[in-house]
This record gives sequence, structure tokens and C-alpha cells, in this order.
Amino acid sequence: DQQVKQNSPSLSVQEGRISILNCDYTNSMFDYFLWYKKYPAEGPTFLISISSIKDKNEDGRFTVFLNKSAKHLSLHIVPSQPGDSAVYFCAASAPGANSKLTFGKGITLSVRP
Amino acid sequence: NAGVMQNPRHLVRRRGQEARLRCSPMKGHSHVYWYRQLPEEGLKFMVYLQKENIIDESGMPKERFSAEFPKEGPSILRIQQVVRGDSAAYFCASSPYRGENTEAFFGQGTRLTVV
Repeated sequence: DQQVKQNSPSLSVQEGRISILNCDYTNSMFDYFLWYKKYPAEGPTFLISISSIKDKNEDGRFTVFLNKSAKHLSLHIVPSQPGDSAVYFCAASAPGANSKLTFGKGITLSVRP
Repeated sequence: NAGVMQNPRHLVRRRGQEARLRCSPMKGHSHVYWYRQLPEEGLKFMVYLQKENIIDESGMPKERFSAEFPKEGPSILRIQQVVRGDSAAYFCASSPYRGENTEAFFGQGTRLTVV
């Protein structure tokens, strides 16, 4: 049972344009959401997070939007840069879950120069 | 300030052998998580440990897998009598405290190949 779903396995974007990465979840107990970026043969690197009490969090070129009623979140990267090419994982945790994370399968982002 | 250190980076074992994966958390971090990533999949939680205690092992297979985080030294994930299906990337993450809404910092992973 996939509780965090990243339905698009890949996304290709032109440099300078916006990248929008989507994530859906089914567990209504999730209250904290994170995005991780992963390069091949490396571990995931934390990018940005959002608590369920917010609907938007921004950090530089990265913005995460949360729509609780739709159980949907998205990561916006603008402007996209070639160095952003990586696999992006959406993750979620629930209260009392010891901060353990449930991950989606990831989206491979390719930013074309 | 070194990040989360995992070793070895790559490990090849024959079926039936034992695999030991080591994880040293970031300095000052006393909470360790192990995740496994199968090919084409996301990371799956296995176990959460604090020093000398297993807090949550709900994601750990009941047989052949064990984990420890001793008072001194790294956390160890041990897989006995490995099978081909154990081939995966194993990631360790650490955090400084047990709290809600805490991001974890990941190591570079150990890629286990069972031949």
C-alpha cells in the first residue's frame, strides 16, 4: 500500500523555467512533509519541509505547497538549473511516529541547458 | 563537522553469508534510522534506534535482520544468511533529538549485492 505517491517517474524542463514536482498521500495522519534530493550513488539530501498547519513554505528557489483537503503537495523550483537534475523524493511523517519517514518512489528531474 | 558516515560503500556477499553495515551518526546526534531502497523504489523505513535502545523496528524483517546502536561505536545493521532479495541500497540517517517535525540527515548508503 503506497501511502506516498509520486505518479510521474520523470520530468524534463528547460533551464530557467519552472519545475513542478507533484506528490499525493493517502494517510490523513501525516502532518509533516519533506522533500529530499538525491544524486546517483549518494544519500538523500534534505531540501525543504512543510508542516500541516501551513500551506506554503519558501526557501530561495524552492517552494513547497500543501493542499490538505486534496492530500496533495508540490515542489516548485524556479528558475530551474542544470545542477537541479536529480531524483526528488517526497516524504511524510505522522505524529507519534518517532519521526520515521514514509517515502514516495521519486521523480527524476532533468533540466536541459 | 563530518556528516553521517556509512561503511562500506559497497559490499558483495554470497548467498548464505552475513552482511554487516556500519553507520556513524553526525556528531551530537543520538538517534539513528535505517532505510532500505530496492531498485526503482523509494526508501523504506526499517528501524529506529537510540543509544543502546531499539525504539521502533516495525519495518525490519522478522528473521535474519538485526540492528544495534551501542553506547560506544557505530550503529550496526546485520543481515544473516543473505539472499538475493536482500540486494539493495541501505541508508542510515541521524537526527539530534527525538522530536516531531525533525528532518533526518542521510549517509551515502551501503550498496549490498548478493551473488
